[in-house]
This record gives sequence, structure tokens and C-alpha cells, in this order.
Amino acid sequence: DTEVTQTPKHLVMGMTNKKSLKCEQHMGHRAMYWYKQKAKKPPELMFVYSYEKLSINESVPSRFSPECPNSSLLNLHLHALQPEDSALYLCASSQGGLAGTGELFFGEGSRLTVL
Amino acid sequence: ELKVEQNPLFLSMQEGKNYTIYCNYSTTSDRLYWYRQDPGKSLESLFVLLSNGAVKQEGRLMASLDTKARLSTLHITAAVHDLSATYFCAVDIDGGSNYQLIWGAGTKLIIKP
Repeated sequence: DTEVTQTPKHLVMGMTNKKSLKCEQHMGHRAMYWYKQKAKKPPELMFVYSYEKLSINESVPSRFSPECPNSSLLNLHLHALQPEDSALYLCASSQGGLAGTGELFFGEGSRLTVL
Repeated sequence: ELKVEQNPLFLSMQEGKNYTIYCNYSTTSDRLYWYRQDPGKSLESLFVLLSNGAVKQEGRLMASLDTKARLSTLHITAAVHDLSATYFCAVDIDGGSNYQLIWGAGTKLIIKP
């Protein structure tokens, strides 16, 4: 099983809504990531969880709140978003640890539209 | 400033031709990755290059890494339409367990029948 599963695939929300994006992997990977990607741009790193601990937060606004309930699951809680937050949100995982190659396995993404 | 520069950023080519995409980076690193992205889709890992002189091949694509020159190439041989996509290179600047990557801007490749 080499899949990273993200839900929902599409999400439309208003600026006052609260929603969550979910990500799951069953590859035994110990590092999980949230990336944001705007059209025609490379992905931008938002958060990294390593061994279930938040290890990187790339100065992301507090309206994005990550959570890693266990080694297989990663959530991104969304609150009071702005229209400019509309983007493709990608979850990825990697083996983690110094023995890992760093290769990222991406989910299909959640396309978010903020009205 | 850490930079990863890809060129060209856009490439339109005919089927059957050969071409090379270049990825230059400004920091010391011996870990470089190539990813493919189809329009409206997610990213797919193509190659993982982990040492100087590494060469990997998959079908009509071949990637190489020269850490001394801080250069990676992605060579396309006898291109076919199915290879049309955007290709990103990414360089690991951490070398530790968190794998912070600096991404190139991407090369949009269009292969015409």
C-alpha cells in the first residue's frame, strides 16, 4: 500500500467557516507534511511532523492549525480563511529519520476555494 | 539566498526528439529529487538522487546529479505525448530527518504529436 489519502478532494468554504482537511498514510512513514500550491507555482511547505511532533512551521498564519493524532493521520484545521488562501493543499509523507531518502509521497490534494 | 533554478521554464517539442531540462542550485547538497505534475493533479516522485554522480533512468527519462557543479539534468529521449507535464526539481537543504526542500519553479513540457 503506497497511497496517501486525502479528504475531501474539493472544499468550498466561507470566510467564517471552520473546516478540516484530513490525510492518512499506511506506509509506516514517520514524517508527514502539509504543502500549499497555487496555480503554476511550486508547492510551498507549511508544516512538517516528524515522529508525531511538529518540527517545522513555516510561519504559517494561525488560521491554519495542524494536528497529528497518530503516526498515520494528519489534519489541517481551517478557520477564518481569506480568499487568497484558495489553493491546492497537498499532504505528503516520507520515511523520516536519517536512514530515509527524503522521497515524498503525495496525496491527490484537497482543492480549497474560500469565498 | 538559497535558489533552485530550472531552465527552461517552458518547453514545447515534437514527439521523437531529445531534450534536457536543467536544475541549478546555489547551496551545498547531495540530495536532489525530480517530481512530475499533470495538470490539475498532484505530484508524483520520479527520481531520487542521493550522491554525486548518481544517474537514474526510467523509460525515456534519465536524471543525473553533479554535486560539484550543483547541477542536475533530466534528459528526455524520443519524447512521446504522454510525457507532457510540469517537472519540478527540489533540493534538500536539511540533510537531516525533516527534509526541507527548496523547489525549482517547474518546467512545463508540452510534447506535440
